[in-house]
Amino acid sequence: EEQLVESGGGLIQPGGSLRLSCAVSGFTVRSNYLSWVRQAPGRGLQWVSIIYGGENTYYADSVKGRFTISRDNSKNTLYLQMNRLRVEDTAVYYCARVSLNGAFDWGQGTLVTVSS
Amino acid sequence: QSALTQPPSVSGSLGQSVTISCTGTSSDVGLYKRVSWHQQPPGTAPKLLIYEVSNRPSGVPDRFSGSKSGNTASLTISGLQADDEADYYCSSYTSSSTYVFGTGTKVTVL
Repeated sequence: EEQLVESGGGLIQPGGSLRLSCAVSGFTVRSNYLSWVRQAPGRGLQWVSIIYGGENTYYADSVKGRFTISRDNSKNTLYLQMNRLRVEDTAVYYCARVSLNGAFDWGQGTLVTVSS
Repeated sequence: QSALTQPPSVSGSLGQSVTISCTGTSSDVGLYKRVSWHQQPPGTAPKLLIYEVSNRPSGVPDRFSGSKSGNTASLTISGLQADDEADYYCSSYTSSSTYVFGTGTKVTVL
């Protein structure tokens, strides 16, 4: 069974850093497109970042230069390094496998709260 | 990277049909078949409902159907049931190699 399990969320002060992890089972991170999507409290889904084959990466304008998506093939894990965090980055962060046809397979999410 | 436009809410009685629109541009919805729909009941993670405009993953009832015309995609729920109450989001691939989500629609079953 394919599964994505996020971890690493928590309470962090503005300006701080946090690294989210997404442990994958049932398929390999090496050969799949993987994305991060977030949802602020009471708000809609917002696409954050994606990593394609060959380490091609793309970001939403709101996180470009602050967030970095990466993967560790040996650990079969996706990461999101978040630096210079802002209050408006507070959200549940979901990882997802994205198929060539645009289908998303979702994880359960991890909550990041940026507050002083 | 503007969000795709959806109506904030739609409602229908048990057994009726409702349709949710998702309007983008010629750089996303209008250009690609990679349009998906996601269902999110309260307090849960999103779940894929429709992919590639009109395809259903296994396990999704055929009461859910998708279509697209120009820059607008649509999700129709037929034979509305109580557990269809949820938030629904569309998503699309874009010409910038990114993805964009819709603003979300709350479906209420009367």
